[in-house]
Amino acid sequence: DTAVSQTPKYLVTQMGNDKSIKCEQNLGHDTMYWYKQDSKKFLKIMFSYNNKELIINETVPNRFSPKSPDKAHLNLHINSLELGDSAVYFCASSFRTSGGAWEATQYFGPGTRLLVL
Amino acid sequence: QKEVEQNSGPLSVPEGAIASLNCTYSDRGSQSFFWYRQYSGKSPELIMFIYSNGDKEDGRFTAQLNKASQYVSLLIRDSQPSDSATYLCAVRNTDKLIFGTGTRLQVFP
Repeated sequence: DTAVSQTPKYLVTQMGNDKSIKCEQNLGHDTMYWYKQDSKKFLKIMFSYNNKELIINETVPNRFSPKSPDKAHLNLHINSLELGDSAVYFCASSFRTSGGAWEATQYFGPGTRLLVL
Repeated sequence: QKEVEQNSGPLSVPEGAIASLNCTYSDRGSQSFFWYRQYSGKSPELIMFIYSNGDKEDGRFTAQLNKASQYVSLLIRDSQPSDSATYLCAVRNTDKLIFGTGTRLQVFP
């Protein structure tokens, strides 16, 4: 009973292709996130959705488009893949409140390793 | 200036020693602070969080926060080879977690 799951785990594709990554959480959280971890292991927020509403949209190319059909799912579609998109993409989820730190704790999925050739 | 700074390491300590990991942050409005551990090829997993000045202990781990100095640290007592991993400091500001680049810890037998 995985808390945050992602598919696929590995994705190898050619430049110019379009691909999607899916994420699902069964923790009852209302907020989900996409992070990108580059080759230097730097983990950076890309997007966040709260109850299907976009609340964080960092400086990310328009080729990246998140979609949240419901609060338990957050997908990431990438158009016209480039070499620089190669990275590990992590999905995460949490509660969104102004309360204590535990409520803001984010739980990460296993990651999707994307390699663009 | 980076928002969250950590020494990339590697920090090498012998088994049984205390490992001390440090992190500084730039935004004084930051609300809470997290330490995540990431094994190679795996996802980050939460070790502990802290949001009040002072120390917070959980088993072999102690987090320390000094908001005046904008400094947060993680002490690992009785370090084990299984503690060898990258430790990510994260700082919460409104809805965002800002991560440092991580410190690689190596515990040798």
